[in-house]
Amino acid sequence: GAGVSQSPSNKVTEKGKDVELRCDPISGHTALYWYRQSLGQGLEFLIYFQGNSAPDKSGLPSDRFSAERTGGSVSTLTIQRTQQEDSAVYLCASSLAQGGGRGYTFGSGTRLTVV
Amino acid sequence: KQEVTQIPAALSVPEGENLVLNCSFTDSAIYNLQWFRQDPGKGLTSLLLIQSSQREQTSGRLNASLDKSSGRSTLYIAASQPGDSATYLCAVPTSGTYKYIFGTGTRLKVLA
Repeated sequence: GAGVSQSPSNKVTEKGKDVELRCDPISGHTALYWYRQSLGQGLEFLIYFQGNSAPDKSGLPSDRFSAERTGGSVSTLTIQRTQQEDSAVYLCASSLAQGGGRGYTFGSGTRLTVV
Repeated sequence: KQEVTQIPAALSVPEGENLVLNCSFTDSAIYNLQWFRQDPGKGLTSLLLIQSSQREQTSGRLNASLDKSSGRSTLYIAASQPGDSATYLCAVPTSGTYKYIFGTGTRLKVLA
């Protein structure tokens, strides 16, 4: 596509429910990243996919968080048993070259609210 | 461990002023550095990307410089306009990787 597409744009969920956030990167971009931005905070790295390599999951805050990238394209971030502290904007980015050598393109994010 | 600091945290200037935003990082073994803009409630827009071999990049009224040895980058905005009001973020990779670490940003307000 022309840009990085994220869905849904907003999600309100009850504490304890599971949620899935979707990211559709720019066609041909081999690298895909998930970040989280809590209210008034900076961006927090979550996970990084590069081609067929094993993802870098070092930023996932707990085992309730998981992500996959199917066919080297679309990625889904899943949060199980959501907690109120999971409320944040979840941002996805993709890049053409390995690790953003040509720079990142971000999606507009999914605003997750856990009530 | 890479750490990124941005100064000032907030800045308010009258329209037409030239201004400088600062970014410092602790690990100079970086491949590149990016400057982004974030409008309230929106995602990030890439402004400038400087490769490690470059000293500066220019786009319109924006000029970004990079001094790897001192761990610093500056974003210069010429003839500021109210439409420039946003949060400006710089990002650098962690050492030996392309995993980006972001500063907490500078909130800029340009007054008409």
